[in-house]
Amino acid sequence: SQQGEEDPQALSIQEGENATMNCSYKTSINNLQWYRQNSGRGLVHLILIRSNEREKHSGRLRVTLDTSKKSSSLLITASRAADTASYFCATPGAGSYQLTFGKGTKLSVIP
Amino acid sequence: GAVVSQHPSWVICKSGTSVKIECRSLDFQATTMFWYRQFPKQSLMLMATSNEGSKATYEQGVEKDKFLINHASLTLSTLTVTSAHPEDSSFYICSAREGNTIYEQYFGPGTRLTVT
Repeated sequence: SQQGEEDPQALSIQEGENATMNCSYKTSINNLQWYRQNSGRGLVHLILIRSNEREKHSGRLRVTLDTSKKSSSLLITASRAADTASYFCATPGAGSYQLTFGKGTKLSVIP
Repeated sequence: GAVVSQHPSWVICKSGTSVKIECRSLDFQATTMFWYRQFPKQSLMLMATSNEGSKATYEQGVEKDKFLINHASLTLSTLTVTSAHPEDSSFYICSAREGNTIYEQYFGPGTRLTVT
C-alpha cells in the first residue's frame, strides 16, 4: 500500500514562479525523501530530510517536515522550464531500506 | 558517481516469450537492488528486493516464478519476465543502494516493455 500522498496531483506554473508540493504520510518515519522523474526516465534523488529536522535546503529546493502533522512540503523557487517533471515523496517501506512512493505531483513549468 | 544503468531501454516481445532486463551499478557496489514497476501516470510499485548472493524477496502479489530475479554480483541484477503477456507491458525500473549510503537509492533509467 502507498504511504505518501502528494498534493496537488498536477501543477502548472509560469517560469520564475515558485512551486510547492505537499506530501502526507500515515505512519511514523525516521526520514522522508523527495525524488524527481522526467517523463519516461528513472528517478533522481533530490533531498532527504530526517525526522529530527524541520527544514532543509539544497540549491533552489526547500523541504520541510512536520512530523506532528505527518506531512512534508517541497518548494522549488524561481522555477525553470527544465524543472518540468513528476515529483515523488518516498518514505521507508516495510523491509530494510525499502521505499514506498506516493502518487506524485506532475509539475509543468511554462516558459 | 552513483550511476545505475539498465539494458535494454525498451523492448517489444511476443506473448509467451521471455525477456531479460539487466541492471548495473557502474561506479559503486550495490549491496541491495530493487525492482519496481510503473504503469502510465502512476507511482512506482516495489516488486522485489534483491541482495547479492541470496534469493530475492518478493512483495505480496508478485509471482516469483514469473518475475525471476538474479543478483549474481555486487554490480549486476537481472529481471527475467517469463512467458510474458500483454498485461506485463509496463515500465520497469531498478534501483541500487550503495553500501555506505543508508537511505538513498540510485535509479536506473528504466526499461519500457511492450508485449504484443
